[in-house]
Amino acid sequence: DAKTTQPTSMDCAEGRAANLPCNHSTISGNEYVYWYRQIHSQGPQYIIHGLKNNETNEMASLIITEDRKSSTLILPHATLRDTAVYYCIVRGEKHLLLVMVSSGTYKYIFGTGTRLKVLA
Amino acid sequence: SAVISQKPSRDICQRGTSLTIQCQVDSQVTMMFWYRQQPGQSLTLIATANQGSEATYESGFVIDKFPISRPNLTFSTLTVSNMSPEDSSIYLCSVEGQGVSGANVLTFGAGSRLTVL
Repeated sequence: DAKTTQPTSMDCAEGRAANLPCNHSTISGNEYVYWYRQIHSQGPQYIIHGLKNNETNEMASLIITEDRKSSTLILPHATLRDTAVYYCIVRGEKHLLLVMVSSGTYKYIFGTGTRLKVLA
Repeated sequence: SAVISQKPSRDICQRGTSLTIQCQVDSQVTMMFWYRQQPGQSLTLIATANQGSEATYESGFVIDKFPISRPNLTFSTLTVSNMSPEDSSIYLCSVEGQGVSGANVLTFGAGSRLTVL
């Protein structure tokens, strides 16, 4: 089962910051928080990830609380093209077979995601 | 990051038939993952495909229904067997590899949209 909970949907005005929350209260110390988004009819696309420090890249910022039980993805200036479903993922348990074959590979379990609609 | 090609992009199938989906990656990868996305739903992991060994299936998915091949490090197939309308979904292939930041990230194909009549 997914280890994250997210609001089902959110609206954001174009040009404003979109703040998408995610709860992951059972996260383990060595688990990362990943964010992906899925624009209609496409495969999910990686946005950003982090362990405990806040992260920023050209797409977004990720704010992780000190206790790591929740995080927020920030799209600083939302555009209509940011309308998508946003998934917050905590990387799952390391599979024994994967450990044998290739260390560092984890399953990615998707939750229900947040459907973000950017309004003109 | 890796570039993934999936075929077919979409198909309409008759109940009781089987369909094989192909996934081609432009680089060698150790693990390939197959997901299913039912209409209006999130992604569900079907199995992890390891080169040279049996795929590892998630709870609720079995090899007889979703046989997977992984003949080399750049290719995998997923077969949906004895299809019923409940199998109508988008099936996505993905791989984990280094993204532009240098971190390991999942990259997805565009998906194969199956409609079973």
